[in-house]
Amino acid sequence: QVTLRESGPALVKPTETLTLTCTFSGFSLSTSGMCVSWIRQPPGKALEWLALIDWDDDKYYSTSLKTRLTISKDTSKNQVVLTMTDMDPVDTGTYYCARVRWMHYFDYWGQGTLVTVSS
Amino acid sequence: EIVLTQSPATLSLSPGEGATLSCRASQNVGSYLAWYQQKVGQAPRLLIYDASNRTTGIPARFSGSGSGTDFTLTISSLEPEDFAVYYCQERSYWPPRTFGQGTKLEIK
Repeated sequence: QVTLRESGPALVKPTETLTLTCTFSGFSLSTSGMCVSWIRQPPGKALEWLALIDWDDDKYYSTSLKTRLTISKDTSKNQVVLTMTDMDPVDTGTYYCARVRWMHYFDYWGQGTLVTVSS
Repeated sequence: EIVLTQSPATLSLSPGEGATLSCRASQNVGSYLAWYQQKVGQAPRLLIYDASNRTTGIPARFSGSGSGTDFTLTISSLEPEDFAVYYCQERSYWPPRTFGQGTKLEIK
């Protein structure tokens, strides 16, 4: 079955770079149409889409955050990595990775990882 | 960029009652709209896709309707496990980047 799991630091300091890893199973990012996305959620607030990488290594970013984000994949390890530079307390929240098939919706999600930005 | 506006922000109902949640898009998204349910401490779960199709395993009391700019999620008779936050999301353009701000369905 399809599973995704996020991992990374629970606490980062302001101005630091956050690196999160999504490790997945049950599908391959080398399969045509497969994509993985990152979505975050500040405490008590709505979902915010961040980035997506597809089977062909095309990458898409949130317009408002694209200067700070980098998404990459390691197909052999079934992993997708998101880096976010210059972290700020407003970036505190739960970060999810999710599978999405081409022209479809987020059908499988990880359990999320809470990231707190504080000095 | 498309904006999705959900209403109401909070809906207070009792088990057994019916619920109607709304999602309005700032421009035509065709039928390319999904609904997600998020319970406290959990990841969102895809309920409805392409406006009216239930994902496998979703009970028949959940139904979606609408097209263009106006969409509705209806829960015919609320069960205790249905009280959660519901989000709409569109995919008329790739990638699917836009979520609504959510409707909290709470027990009255």
